[in-house]
Amino acid sequence: AQSVTQPDIHITVSEGASLELRCNYSYGATPYLFWYVQSPGQGLQLLLKYFSGDTLVQGIKGFEAEFKRSQSSFNLRKPSVHWSDAAEYFCAVASTDSWGKFQFGAGTQVVVTP
Amino acid sequence: EAGVVQSPRYKIIEKKQPVAFWCNPISGHNTLYWYLQNLGQGPELLIRYENEEAVDDSQLPKDRFSAERLKGVDSTLKIQPAELGDSAVYLCASSLGLAGGNSNEQFFGPGTRLTVL
Repeated sequence: AQSVTQPDIHITVSEGASLELRCNYSYGATPYLFWYVQSPGQGLQLLLKYFSGDTLVQGIKGFEAEFKRSQSSFNLRKPSVHWSDAAEYFCAVASTDSWGKFQFGAGTQVVVTP
Repeated sequence: EAGVVQSPRYKIIEKKQPVAFWCNPISGHNTLYWYLQNLGQGPELLIRYENEEAVDDSQLPKDRFSAERLKGVDSTLKIQPAELGDSAVYLCASSLGLAGGNSNEQFFGPGTRLTVL
């Protein structure tokens, strides 16, 4: 069965420290991969996406993600976290062989401490 | 360019009452999605439209939920009657559809937070 897993429900990080959020997927073929961020009371905002090509993708707000086919992972990183990065982060996957199918992980809540 | 617009932003109703949510997608976006998001969870697809056609409504509880997108632009999602378990955030999203290639990049509205008492 197809699935998207975000192993960490909750992460606390100090301001200025690095952040890595994990995402693993199980799909029949390499899907399209996305990271979204959701601030309280807001809709989801796209941070970055991977379709093909370079496996390291750059996004907005200083985020990047690396696609690793061998590990079926698409982890999100940021070298230095700002207090405004406190939010919930969702990994999402779209199937390449069934257009329009879009599945989200359960999300990782990020708390930033001073 | 305006993003995806949803209204109302918040709705409180008593159980067994009807409720409706409205969504206006980004201009030119053929594909429209309704998602349900429970607290602490990722969005779950309820229904997907390609223009005015519902192409995936397999997750829509059809005994109480209905949706329409009559002219292929804005859309309404209705619950009748509402139950306590329907309390959640209802998100609308849109994308270019096949015209945008296979990327399926979706743009989300702010959502409607429904509380059923």
